[in-house]
Amino acid sequence: GAGVSQSPSNKVTEKGKDVELRCDPISGHTALYWYRQSLGQGLEFLIYFQGNSAPDKSGLPSDRFSAERTGGSVSTLTIQRTQQEDSAVYLCASSLAAGTTNEKLFFGSGTQLSVL
Amino acid sequence: GENVEQHPSTLSVQEGDSAVIKCTYSDSASNYFPWYKQELGKRPQLIIDIRSNVGEKKDQRIAVTLNKTAKHFSLHITETQPEDSAVYFCAAPDRGSTLGRLYFGRGTQLTVWP
Repeated sequence: GAGVSQSPSNKVTEKGKDVELRCDPISGHTALYWYRQSLGQGLEFLIYFQGNSAPDKSGLPSDRFSAERTGGSVSTLTIQRTQQEDSAVYLCASSLAAGTTNEKLFFGSGTQLSVL
Repeated sequence: GENVEQHPSTLSVQEGDSAVIKCTYSDSASNYFPWYKQELGKRPQLIIDIRSNVGEKKDQRIAVTLNKTAKHFSLHITETQPEDSAVYFCAAPDRGSTLGRLYFGRGTQLTVWP
C-alpha cells in the first residue's frame, strides 16, 4: 500500500509569505508527527497528534507555526510570515498507534522548504 | 517528559570493524526502544527495535542491548560495510503521558572507511 505522502516535495517562497505543507499518513495510523531537519542536523520535534487527543504542540518554535489534523487523517503544517531560518526539510511520520506493538514510525520523503 | 541522550555524535570506523552507539533515557516507564537509520538525502527508516521484556535482540549484523536498571540501550553493528554509513537515531517513548510521544536522540553520524 501507499506510504506516508508529503506535498509539495519542494517549496521555494519569499520571506514574509505564508506556506502550507501537507501530510497524508498511512490509512488507519492514529499517531502523526511533524519534524524539522536542517542540513546535517537531527530531528527537531514540532508537533504530535495522537487519535482524538489534544496535540502536543511543545516543539513549535514560534506562534508563526501551526498544524491541524482534520478527521484524524490528513495534516497541514502552516508557517506564517516565513523567515530565512525556516528553510529546512519538514518531515512527517505516522504510526499505527502509540503504546502498542505497532509503534513503528513511517516517514514521508519530506518537503524541502527554501525561504529566499 | 522523556530525555534521550545519544553518544557519540560522530563515529568513524574501518570497514570490518564494529561500531557501538549508546543512548540513555530518563523515563523509567519507557518500554520500547527503536533505532532509525537515515542515509544521505533519504528518510529515516526503522532498522531494529527492542521492548523492555528482553535484554538483547539481533538481526544479522546489527543488535540492540538494553539495560533497564541503568536506563541505557546500545546499537551494535558488526563487520561494518561502507553502506552502513548513515546517521543513526535512537528513540524512547514518554510513558508518563497519555500521548506516549516518541523522543529521539540527536543522532550519530557513522562513517565506514573502505
